[in-house]
Amino acid sequence: ETGVTQSPTHLIKTRGQQVTLRCSSQSGHNTVSWYQQALGQGPQFIFQYYREEENGRGNFPPRFSGLQFPNYSSELNVNALELDDSALYLCASSSTGDSIYGYTFGSGTRLTVV
Amino acid sequence: DQQVKQNSPSLSVQEGRISILNCDYTNSMFDYFLWYKKYPAEGPTFLISISSIKDKNEDGRFTVFLNKSAKHLSLHIVPSQPGDSAVYFCAASAPTGFQKLVFGTGTRLLVSP
Repeated sequence: ETGVTQSPTHLIKTRGQQVTLRCSSQSGHNTVSWYQQALGQGPQFIFQYYREEENGRGNFPPRFSGLQFPNYSSELNVNALELDDSALYLCASSSTGDSIYGYTFGSGTRLTVV
Repeated sequence: DQQVKQNSPSLSVQEGRISILNCDYTNSMFDYFLWYKKYPAEGPTFLISISSIKDKNEDGRFTVFLNKSAKHLSLHIVPSQPGDSAVYFCAASAPTGFQKLVFGTGTRLLVSP
């Protein structure tokens, strides 16, 4: 059984650019969630995808968008990058019907915006 | 608005002693609470959870206590081991129809031999 894998592990982008982060869900998981963890903070919920549709969103602007593919892998896209977008981005997968401790987190992508 | 708070950014204990990590919350709709452990360069890993209908849950060396009236929970680790050194996050969820966790800011635990 493979866990949640994220790519890339590190990334540096310039303010105003766009970025795409990728996540492969754990085998058997059909739901994916994305979290942003700024330095010194806890992870903050961005959104969740189930059956290729967004079914829950946190307090993030529309320039944060996502996709979930039929194989349950996912992308997080951020447009018009700002310096405050510098953070660790975590992907978590789970199965519908699991209690919430069924989340499995990936190791994250460290994004630095300069 | 920080709905889940961990007021101690760090905690140091000696091996074999008890570690107590605290967490407070403000949202009375939270019905499930979890503790996650995070090592550097790794994602958070689930440690232990508790439903709001309980006041205690135990799993080996780890015990979580919930005081609903005070909106407070704590994680006890007995005995503490050097391998327990990590950042511990308290998290909570409410019945929103989708799986969303609200995390605290974390407490860095250092267990010295």
